[in-house]
Amino acid sequence: KQEVTQIPAALSVPEGENLVLNCSFTDSAIYNLQWFRQDPGKGLTSLLLIQSSQREQTSGRLNASLDKSSGRSTLYIAASQPGDSATYLCAVGSSNTGKLIFGQGTTLQVKP
Amino acid sequence: DAGITQSPRHKVTETGTPVTLRCHQTENHRYMYWYRQDPGHGLRLIHYSYGVKDTDKGEVSDGYSVSRSKTEDFLLTLESATSSQTSVYFCAISESSGGAYNEQFFGPGTRLTVL
Repeated sequence: KQEVTQIPAALSVPEGENLVLNCSFTDSAIYNLQWFRQDPGKGLTSLLLIQSSQREQTSGRLNASLDKSSGRSTLYIAASQPGDSATYLCAVGSSNTGKLIFGQGTTLQVKP
Repeated sequence: DAGITQSPRHKVTETGTPVTLRCHQTENHRYMYWYRQDPGHGLRLIHYSYGVKDTDKGEVSDGYSVSRSKTEDFLLTLESATSSQTSVYFCAISESSGGAYNEQFFGPGTRLTVL
């Protein structure tokens, strides 16, 4: 059974710092991995989708990498801003039905 | 933003009553999903649909049923609500099950409280 873990559960950094969020999964037979952002009381916003054949994806200040063999993905946020404060979730697509298995998330606080 | 709406956005009901949540999309995506989000458990899949009248169970399907009579609508029904079904429910859609189009987009959520 696929399990997805995100460490740390919470992170607080000063504005301007570069940071890395971690996601690990137990079964390397994945179709894709998706990173989401969730603001308090809101829905999920898709940030990046990495297909199993890809190593990384970039969008603005965000860069996500995927290493299937080690069961790891990282989300790199450059020059963090207070507006980046949110919970970041990774989810693994483990079947051809599109079903996602989610990690518990990392709650990020960027202090001005 | 993907065109996904959920109704109602908030609902308070009593144990034993039936409840139906609606997800409506304007993207004409084939796949639709219902998740619930709970502290300590994260997001878990309840049911999903891979086409009109085609549905299947997810990880936590007990006590829930779904129906999809049109591409744009996916209904989640709690036949007899229990307090353990108090949660935030999210609908999601994706264009395809695999390949490069499997990005899932989420609705705003429905907060359900069962007293």
